[in-house]
Order: sequence, then structure tokens, then C-alpha cells
Amino acid sequence: AQSVTQLDSHVSVSEGTPVLLRCNYSSSYSPSLFWYVQHPNKGLQLLLKYTSAATLVKGINGFEAEFKKSETSFHLTKPSAHMSDAAEYFCVVSSSPSGGSYIPTFGRGTSLIVHP
Amino acid sequence: GAGVSQSPSNKVTEKGKDVELRCDPISGHTALYWYRQSLGQGLEFLIYFQGNSAPDKSGLPSDRFSAERTGGSVSTLTIQRTQQEDSAVYLCASSYQGQGRYEQYFGPGTRLTVT
Repeated sequence: AQSVTQLDSHVSVSEGTPVLLRCNYSSSYSPSLFWYVQHPNKGLQLLLKYTSAATLVKGINGFEAEFKKSETSFHLTKPSAHMSDAAEYFCVVSSSPSGGSYIPTFGRGTSLIVHP
Repeated sequence: GAGVSQSPSNKVTEKGKDVELRCDPISGHTALYWYRQSLGQGLEFLIYFQGNSAPDKSGLPSDRFSAERTGGSVSTLTIQRTQQEDSAVYLCASSYQGQGRYEQYFGPGTRLTVT
């Protein structure tokens, strides 16, 4: 079994300030974790992924996330927000017993609002 | 290379009509997923294909919904006797499922409006 919780439905920041989007997960197996971004009226785009290699993962557009097994967290951060970062962000967990199939579970999403 | 494509991009239909939504995954991707996203909501899982088989149909909302995949490639999602609550964006995604490459690639979606 697996689940993912995005702790904030909305996060509001000023342009140039840091961004923190929080995600906690649970999984019975070694998970793969992902962050996706969805801009208004657009499809979902992969930001970054963790698949049991380095625990600090760097993604596109300056975003990064750190896998913390002890805290079952995979928070998304960015040092300095840009207006173009305003979008919906989804945290995703995907895990499978050996030889099984990976069926992802999506969080409910966090809406990032960036003020000028 | 080509990404995931979906057609039509927009579909307006009358209540009670049947609709077919199409998804063309990335070549070589063995897994294909269908999701539904209602206005301002998260993603609702509908069905998953591994090859041409659908091991998980648990998300289909009712027996009006069905899906198939042929040749390990194109998939169609069919909604019979559409209802207004079926109005949503239907998203398709594909993934490779192997060698550490489990991330999904999403199509642009089909916006379905039932009047």
C-alpha cells in the first residue's frame, strides 16, 4: 500500500523569496518519488524524480527535493521564486513488490501563488 | 522525439451520447494510464494498462466507462451515455517501466464538456 499527503493546498510567496512545498509519503516497498508541475490549462510536466540514487535530487527550473526516509518526506524547494513558477504542483509516490507493476499515487496538489 | 498525444483536444457532446477519447503513447512505453481531472481538482486514476492488459480497472467510475489498448500502443477510453458529471479533462500518460525509468509522460488532455 502507498499514499502521499501534500501538507498545503495553497502556498503564497513573493517573487525572489524561497519556495517550500511539503510532501509526506507512505509505502510498503522502496518507493520512487516524483514532483510534477501543471501550469494553467496545460498538461503535467515532470520536475524531478527520486529512484534510490542520491537523496538530494535536482530538477528543472532550479527546483530540488530531498528524500528523507526517516521522516518519510520529499519536500520540494527553490531558493528564489519567479513569477513563472505559479502553477499547481503534484507529489507522486510509486512503488511495487518485486516484479510487480508501478502504479503511481498522486497527492491532491499544492497551488503555488507568486506575488510580485 | 514525439510525446504523448491525445485526440480530440476538446469535445462537446450532448448528454446521453457516447464519446471516444484516444491516446497515442510514446513509442516503446509499455505502461499507459488514464486519469480524470475535474475543474480545480487533483487527478483521479481511472485505469492502467501494461501492454494490452488492464490489471487495474479499479478507478473506472461506472460501467459506462471502458477502455482498451491494442498492439501495445494506442488506447481508447469510451464513455457511454454521457452525463454532465463526466465533464472533465481526461489525461493520458505513458511510462517505460524498467531500468529505473518509471516516470510518467503526460499528454495535453482532452477537455470533455457534456451539455
